[in-house]
Amino acid sequence: EVQLVQSGAEVKKPGETLKISCKGSGYSFTNFWIGWVRQMPGKGLEWMAIIYPDDSDTKYSPSVQGQVTISVDKSISTAYLQWSSLRASDTAMYYCARQVGDYFDSWGQGTQVTVSS
Amino acid sequence: DIQMTQSPSTLSASVGDRVTITCRASQSINSWLAWYQQKPGKAPKLLINKASRLQNGVPSRFSGSGSGTEFTLSISSLQPDDFATYYCQQYSSYSLTFGGGTKVEIK
Repeated sequence: EVQLVQSGAEVKKPGETLKISCKGSGYSFTNFWIGWVRQMPGKGLEWMAIIYPDDSDTKYSPSVQGQVTISVDKSISTAYLQWSSLRASDTAMYYCARQVGDYFDSWGQGTQVTVSS
Repeated sequence: DIQMTQSPSTLSASVGDRVTITCRASQSINSWLAWYQQKPGKAPKLLINKASRLQNGVPSRFSGSGSGTEFTLSISSLQPDDFATYYCQQYSSYSLTFGGGTKVEIK
């Protein structure tokens, strides 16, 4: 069974750093793109970025390019989303998902990130 | 970037109704369109890929159609478990975009 398990909820202050994780299991982790999707409070889904674990090739949405960094440690089948300086506007639920061709077929449970002074 | 426009944004319907949600792309995406269902506090769930391919385990009352720039998701007979928000999503050239969502509410 394909599973993506994300790290737990985070509460941070503006300007702090953060790295959240997404661990894959039940499939060949290196052979599928992993994507990150943001959902701000009460809003819709927004694609942020994807990464190919085998070679760490990355693609970012223009709306988040330079604001976040995605990475992967294929030795432990884990993808990461990180911020170097959080803003209140980063408050959202973040999902990772496995991409199969042109769609996401399996999703993590989500990581709530709250940024507040 | 390709923009995806869903309509309506909210839909009120009763159990047993047939409902249709529309998704329009700002340029042709062939059949590279997926539909997801999301319930409050839960991750999205894939329903349909390639515009019309039902994901394994998804009830047959769900169907998708369309190609190019106009697509529809239909539910033939709305069930209590179907009240949720639905999103379309396109893929092209390593870039993805979601529609704004359609909330299906109980009438």
